[in-house]
Amino acid sequence: SAVISQKPSRDICQRGTSLTIQCQVDSQVTMMFWYRQQPGQSLTLIATANQGSEATYESGFVIDKFPISRPNLTFSTLTVSNMSPEDSSIYLCSAETEVYEQYFGPGTRLTVT
Amino acid sequence: AQKVTQAQTEISVVEKEDVTLDCVYETRDTTYYLFWYKQPPSGELVFLIRRNSFDEQNEISGRYSWNFQKSTSSFNFTITASQVVDSAVYFCALSGMDSNYQLIWGAGTKLIIKP
Repeated sequence: SAVISQKPSRDICQRGTSLTIQCQVDSQVTMMFWYRQQPGQSLTLIATANQGSEATYESGFVIDKFPISRPNLTFSTLTVSNMSPEDSSIYLCSAETEVYEQYFGPGTRLTVT
Repeated sequence: AQKVTQAQTEISVVEKEDVTLDCVYETRDTTYYLFWYKQPPSGELVFLIRRNSFDEQNEISGRYSWNFQKSTSSFNFTITASQVVDSAVYFCALSGMDSNYQLIWGAGTKLIIKP
């Protein structure tokens, strides 16, 4: 298994500002992912955070809006840029182990006013 | 394309009852993985199980059991003698080559256990 921590756990931000969310895994993992979850809905994959190269974004998500860093095998950050109220959501980081099991962080609850 | 269907949006039972959460999937892959996650009101996603497509044995873990049937493309989850702490949203997910091994999520089933 993998234990994942995220910071901050929640934040309230003003429109037009940016927030960087940090994700730390307790062991080295190859794959890390960032998801968004709107209230009462399922998870939507934003991007795969690749170590040493640019993240791979899903349809509807772009690097300018959601820049991602992955400097090593245990850490990643997601920035939500130029925020609007539509960005209010829970942002989840996950890591995949060698046996293809994905474990999730506790999430970051973002409210944009 | 891959798809996961959890037709039950919400289930409500009284404590100690058994409850089954349904999961039906679609995939063209011959090798794939199926998952169940629990999301309690606190919000974090808890990994429950991963099942390989070539292993159709049912699995039991305490009060939890999973019934994988390839013939009907189903991977159902049963909680025996439910408890209030089982109240959560439960997600079924699928991954395979067709999705580049990314998780394809069902919509989730909200389970309410009444005392």
